[in-house]
Amino acid sequence: EVHLVESGGGLVKPGGSLRLSCAASGFTFSDAWMSWVRQAPGKGLECVGLIKNEAEGGARDYAAPVKGRFTITRDDSKNTLFLQMNSLKTEDTAVYYCATFGAGRKFDYWGQGTLVTVSS
Amino acid sequence: DIQMTQSPSSLSASVGDRVTITCRASQSISSFLNWYQQKPGKAPKLLIYVASSLQSGVPSRFSGSGAGTDFTLTISSLQPEDCATYYCQQSYNTPRTFGQGTKVEIK
Repeated sequence: EVHLVESGGGLVKPGGSLRLSCAASGFTFSDAWMSWVRQAPGKGLECVGLIKNEAEGGARDYAAPVKGRFTITRDDSKNTLFLQMNSLKTEDTAVYYCATFGAGRKFDYWGQGTLVTVSS
Repeated sequence: DIQMTQSPSSLSASVGDRVTITCRASQSISSFLNWYQQKPGKAPKLLIYVASSLQSGVPSRFSGSGAGTDFTLTISSLQPEDCATYYCQQSYNTPRTFGQGTKVEIK
């Protein structure tokens, strides 16, 4: 069974940094494309970014609002996905989900999410 | 960016009713359209991918159709557990964008 568990969320001041983690199990993590999707309170879903597997070059892409501030990385030896968030803004406040991005270009499995609150 | 527009934004229907949600893309996205269900306080769940393929484990009362710019999610017989918000999402190109959501309530 696929299992994704996010951690690392919390309260941070504007301009601060935070690193989220997503521990994966139940599938071959090194083969998977992985993504981060966020949801601001009471709002819809936004794909923050995606990282391909290393066999396909590990390429990454990011949504415009976070490009240059957020970095997605992966540690295939530890089956873990990361999201490094710098220069945080109040508008980055959201629940952050990690999700697999499977064949058919779909977000097929999701974690339970971790809340990031950016506030002074 | 490709804009995804869902209608209606919300609906109320009775148990057993047939429910239809539409999603329109601002340009053609072929069949790269997925549907998700989200219940309050929970992560989204994939229902339909590439417009009409049912994700494993999803009840057969859910179905999807469409291609190009116009897509539909249908619940053939609404059940109490279908009370949720439904999102469409395009994967034709980046950024991978979502619709604004349709909230389904039971009368």
